[in-house]
Amino acid sequence: EIVLTQSPATLSLSPGETATLSCRASQSVSNYLAWYQQKPGQAPRLLIYDASNRATGIPARFSGGGSGTDFTLTVSSLEPEDFAVYYCQQRSDWPVTFGPGTKVDI
Amino acid sequence: EVQLEQSGGGLVKTGGSLRLSCAASGFTLSNDWMSWVRQAPGKGPEWVGHITSHVYDGTTRYAASVKGRFTVSRDDSKNTLYLQMDSLKTEDTAVYFCAISRGQGPLYHFTFWGQGALVTVSS
Repeated sequence: EIVLTQSPATLSLSPGETATLSCRASQSVSNYLAWYQQKPGQAPRLLIYDASNRATGIPARFSGGGSGTDFTLTVSSLEPEDFAVYYCQQRSDWPVTFGPGTKVDI
Repeated sequence: EVQLEQSGGGLVKTGGSLRLSCAASGFTLSNDWMSWVRQAPGKGPEWVGHITSHVYDGTTRYAASVKGRFTVSRDDSKNTLYLQMDSLKTEDTAVYFCAISRGQGPLYHFTFWGQGALVTVSS
C-alpha cells in the first residue's frame, strides 16, 4: 500500500498569509493526487484533483503542484474560512490511501 | 443539486451488526461509482469499499480490514447506497461517509460526500 506523509502536522498562520502544505508518497503516484479540506464536524471537500486541477467552485487562491512522490498545496492570502485540516489522497494504486492531515490554524 | 443523505449510525456491541444508508438526490446513483470511507477520531480518512456503476455491473471491492465482514450494495429503485456491517470490532468505531467516486484512469478521487454517520462499537 502507498503511504502518504504530510508536513507539517500543524501550520500556524494569520489571515492574509500564504500556506504551503506538503504531501510525500512512498512511491510514485504520477499526478494522481487529490487534496481535501475538512472543517470540524463536516465531511471532507475536494479542492484539487490530479495534482493541479481545481474542483468545481474552488477559489483560485487554492493551487496544487508536483508529480511523482512530492506534492504541494498552496493557499494564497488565507481567508478566515480556510483554517481547517487538509488531507492528500492518492488514486494511483490499490487501495486508495489518505495522508494523516495538516492542520492550518491561527 | 447533488445531495447524499446518510442515516443508520449508532452504538453497537462487538460482534453485532449495523446497516448504514445513503440516499442520493440530484443524480442517478447507479451511473456512478460509489464508495464508503471512514474516519476514526483524530485520524485521516480510510477507504472501506466501493460499488461500481451499472456499466461495470455493480461489482464491489473492499479494504482488507473489512473484507468478509462488510457489504456494499445499492437499491436502484430507491436511489440508495448501503453498507452492511457485520461482526463489528471496536476498531471499526468511526464516522462513515458515502462518497461519489470519479476519475479518469486508475482508481478515483471523491468528488462529493455525505454528511457522515457515527458508528461506535463497544465491548
